[in-house]
Amino acid sequence: QVQLVESGGGVVQPGGSLRLSCAASGFSFSSYAMHWVRQAPGKGLEWVAVISYDGSNKYYADSVKGRFTISRDNSKNTLFVQMDSLRDEDTAVYYCARPSGSYYSDPFDYWGQGNLVTVSS
Amino acid sequence: QSALTQPRSVSGSPGQSVTISCTGTSSDVGGYKYVSWYQQYPGKAPKLIIYDVNKRPSGVPDRFSGSKSGNTASLIISGLQAEDEADYYCCSYAGTYNYVFGTGTQVTFL
Repeated sequence: QVQLVESGGGVVQPGGSLRLSCAASGFSFSSYAMHWVRQAPGKGLEWVAVISYDGSNKYYADSVKGRFTISRDNSKNTLFVQMDSLRDEDTAVYYCARPSGSYYSDPFDYWGQGNLVTVSS
Repeated sequence: QSALTQPRSVSGSPGQSVTISCTGTSSDVGGYKYVSWYQQYPGKAPKLIIYDVNKRPSGVPDRFSGSKSGNTASLIISGLQAEDEADYYCCSYAGTYNYVFGTGTQVTFL
């Protein structure tokens, strides 16, 4: 069965950096684009970034552009997001999510359990 | 890209129907047939319940249905059940590799 397991969250000071990982299993990871979606405490969902199946194309929400970098290692079935210049408003639970198919318009049919990132001094 | 607008909460009695609206613009909801809905329980990951406006993934009860008119999409829950108490989010593809979620709606029993 499809499994997505995030790791790497924690507490970081404003201006600091953190890298999240998402280990995938149960499907052909290298055949799917992958997304990061976040949810601030008590708030709604916000799409963060997407990376193509082969890592050649990456797209970001305006709120994180220039600060976050999405990447993947298909040999290890793992998705990453490098978060730099972190701000208070980046505090959130971060989910990795898999689309249902090969189109960028496809919905997110599998989600990880979520990983909390807290930006605080 | 601004979040899609949903009512903060909707309520209904067991067995009743409730409708959750999701209002966007012609650049997102109105411009694409790619509206999806997610159900989320507290502390849990979202779950896909409707995609492409009105399609249900395997295993999702048929009391959940979706529709769209112009810039507004809707999720209808017919025959409200106890396990339907949750938060619901719409999401629309907004073109150019961009995605926008709704503000979220809490469904509760009266």
